[in-house]
Amino acid sequence: QVHLVDSGGGLVEPGGSLRLSCVDSGFTFSDYYMTWIRQAPGKGLEFISYISPSGTTITYADSVKGRFTISRDNAKNSLYLQMNNLRAEDTAVYYCARRPRELDYWGQGTLVTVSS
Amino acid sequence: DVVMTQSPLSLPVTLGQPASISCKSSQRLVYSDGNTYLNWFQQRPGQSPRRLIYKVSNRDSGVPDRFSGSGSGTDFTLKISRVEAEDVGVYYCMQGTHWPFTFGPGTKVDIK
Repeated sequence: QVHLVDSGGGLVEPGGSLRLSCVDSGFTFSDYYMTWIRQAPGKGLEFISYISPSGTTITYADSVKGRFTISRDNAKNSLYLQMNNLRAEDTAVYYCARRPRELDYWGQGTLVTVSS
Repeated sequence: DVVMTQSPLSLPVTLGQPASISCKSSQRLVYSDGNTYLNWFQQRPGQSPRRLIYKVSNRDSGVPDRFSGSGSGTDFTLKISRVEAEDVGVYYCMQGTHWPFTFGPGTKVDIK
């Protein structure tokens, strides 16, 4: 059974950093594109980034380019999102998901709050 | 960016009655591989989104057959043949053809 578990969220001050993790099981992680999506409180859904199975193809939304870095460790079945220079507008629930074009499985989400 | 619009944004429905949500994209959604990456998601309160329909009209495993998707080009529709209490939530369409992939604003379905 496919299972994605997000973690690493919390409260951080503006300008701070945070690293999110997504540990996956129930499928061959190294075969799939993976993605991060976020949802601000009471708002809609926004794609942030995706990464290819080997990690050689990476794409970012303009809103996070230069501040966020996606990566993966296929040996650990894990996806990561390093978030630097955080802003108040980055406050959201962050979800990892499989297959960016189709989003067949999602994690449960982890809340990131950027506030002083 | 491809803009996804949905209508209505709020949909009060009577139990047992049909419901329909429209989704329109600002660009055609046929990808170079021939697929149309238009998907529908349901988000119940306090939960992660759950995919219902992928590539326009394919229903996910475990999704009741009262849910169906249709459309082509830039116009797409999600239909619920007979609404049940468990269908309350927000429904999103999403395009996975043109980066950045984008979601519609969501349609909130609740019971009258």
